[in-house]
Amino acid sequence: GAGVSQSPRYKVAKRGQDVALRCDPISGHVSLFWYQQALGQGPEFLTYFQNEAQLDKSGLPSDRFFAERPEGSVSTLKIQRTQQEDSAVYLCASRLGRGGRTYEQYFGPGTRLTVT
Amino acid sequence: KNEVEQSPQNLTAQEGEFITINCSYSVGISALHWLQQHPGGGIVSLFMLSSGKKKHGRLIATINIQEKHSSLHITASHPRDSAVYICAVGGVGGGADGLTFGKGTHLIIQP
Repeated sequence: GAGVSQSPRYKVAKRGQDVALRCDPISGHVSLFWYQQALGQGPEFLTYFQNEAQLDKSGLPSDRFFAERPEGSVSTLKIQRTQQEDSAVYLCASRLGRGGRTYEQYFGPGTRLTVT
Repeated sequence: KNEVEQSPQNLTAQEGEFITINCSYSVGISALHWLQQHPGGGIVSLFMLSSGKKKHGRLIATINIQEKHSSLHITASHPRDSAVYICAVGGVGGGADGLTFGKGTHLIIQP
């Protein structure tokens, strides 16, 4: 079906607000990744889910960042008490398998977060 | 952690020129990806390589595992090829395989 979708595409938040970013992966994809891309930089890994299990959250920059994927499909990245340094594009990607030969990741369009 | 270096960071060329973008990495990988990012953020996967060479239309990607180096070539470049091209690598051993990205090469093709 359709590719990876993300919403909202753009979000402006005042410093201190909480935000929630949504990712709809390709149906049936087991693996889901969140990445953060600061302006002018390459994306950086935040966290990884295999189905509903969050297997790696080593890239989350602080305890204000929280991600979930409760039913193993849609995922939400939540940022509490946003700071200006959280301004970035947040990319979601999904992959059919856990790993092995199924390495290709399919990226969503991203959510551009601006914290004022 | 794998370090991924791309060169050049910026490249401006005339329409029709042959373009080469290079990527090197520091640690053994399971696969290397070339991605294209247009203004507005959307990323499209161009190639995924673990050895040898792949071709798709005017795009060619090569990888040398021993030298930890990959190149992306664009033949007969066109203004619509203008974008940021990003090299990304996946770790060895399967598992999570979160990608490590280079900073990207900003390519402008002038008519």
